[in-house]
Amino acid sequence: DSGVTQTPKHLITATGQRVTLRCSPRSGDLSVYWYQQSLDQGLQFLIQYYNGEERAKGNILERFSAQQFPDLHSELNLSSLELGDSALYFCASSVGGTGRNEQFFGPGTRLTVL
Amino acid sequence: AQKVTQAQTEISVVEKEDVTLDCVYETRDTTYYLFWYKQPPSGELVFLIRRNSFDEQNEISGRYSWNFQKSTSSFNFTITASQVVDSAVYFCALSDPILTGGGNKLTFGTGTQLKVEL
Repeated sequence: DSGVTQTPKHLITATGQRVTLRCSPRSGDLSVYWYQQSLDQGLQFLIQYYNGEERAKGNILERFSAQQFPDLHSELNLSSLELGDSALYFCASSVGGTGRNEQFFGPGTRLTVL
Repeated sequence: AQKVTQAQTEISVVEKEDVTLDCVYETRDTTYYLFWYKQPPSGELVFLIRRNSFDEQNEISGRYSWNFQKSTSSFNFTITASQVVDSAVYFCALSDPILTGGGNKLTFGTGTQLKVEL
């Protein structure tokens, strides 16, 4: 158990819908990351927050948005969902915000878009 | 741009055999960090090791060892006396803070599926 929690574990929804994925980092970690894992794209970095501020951004679609709240938990919002958005979404956290800090991953949220 | 290549898609070994998983990376910067993660069938990603670009010492942790060679841009992972519980997908990853403006974006390889059979 990494100490990172993600809810829900599974999510099934329809195309065009909007969903919110939630992540609580390990106690003491200030940085939160979101990754998408799919069969065709592999593991892709989406976005990083550090103490509430956006720190780094990957190829995150405009339909996706994220934020980190004052209590350091984070949410990833996915809207206008398409079939291709079906994937495993991981949240990770680290103490600091740089490569000096290893990232610890949550169990993931499996999103299925029908 | 940064890139991580894991050329071995799948490796099958018999228990107690040694196995090496290859990782080759590309980056233009001198400061970077390399990682290995394990993804067992249950799906979570488990951190195994972090190595910075200035530390070329090899590392051993129990049955696991890592060989970092800057000259060949490789960071290989060896499991000695493999066990069935080692069966998983192993990912190599690179963090290049300069490229991400001080952030910690991980660029992952495509992973190597290791199957250890009795």
